[in-house]
Amino acid sequence: GAVVSQHPSWVICKSGTSVKIECRSLDFQATTMFWYRQFPKQSLMLMATSNEGSKATYEQGVEKDKFLINHASLTLSTLTVTSAHPEDSSFYICSANSPLSGANVLTFGAGSRLTVL
Amino acid sequence: KQEVTQIPAALSVPEGENLVLNCSFTDSAIYNLQWFRQDPGKGLTSLLLIQSSQREQTSGRLNASLDKSSGRSTLYIAASQPGDSATYLCATNTGTASKLTFGTGTRLQVTL
Repeated sequence: GAVVSQHPSWVICKSGTSVKIECRSLDFQATTMFWYRQFPKQSLMLMATSNEGSKATYEQGVEKDKFLINHASLTLSTLTVTSAHPEDSSFYICSANSPLSGANVLTFGAGSRLTVL
Repeated sequence: KQEVTQIPAALSVPEGENLVLNCSFTDSAIYNLQWFRQDPGKGLTSLLLIQSSQREQTSGRLNASLDKSSGRSTLYIAASQPGDSATYLCATNTGTASKLTFGTGTRLQVTL
């Protein structure tokens, strides 16, 4: 079945540094990937849609200069949290649609927990 | 804009009980609805997916129903077990580039 892998699974960083999170589709090609954010005890909120070979589409209220998304290949999308601050501490999850799973069915990664000190 | 609500927010039941989790959504023009399980600090596990043309889906002790016209879905868990303890999320797909809108979640605890 379709597998989406995220790395790292958890990261702790100092305030002001940048952190990169990778999302890979292991057994399929994904022209589109989605990045979600989940604050403690809250639901998942879509941050942006990552498009291979073009600019990402950001949801309202998400700063594109702070959350840099690069989708340079059909199997890899990266999310970089620039100049991270404690309020950026969250659980970041990516997802992609695999042809193996059928139309409009997303496969999710295991998530990456970011803690900014 | 789609809004998805889940009731109750939290639920505690003794082992063996049958239970129902509710999900409601405001925009009935959905492609499908999915139920997920999330363990603390972990990612999402897909439990059941119901296409818009379907009324229900079953997997083991789980049964999910969908009533598009009324904007509701239910997840029925039979003979609950402590291992079922987790947060359950429903999400609708309105087909706009496969973007999902998630509900607020129901945190389930099954006690011995």
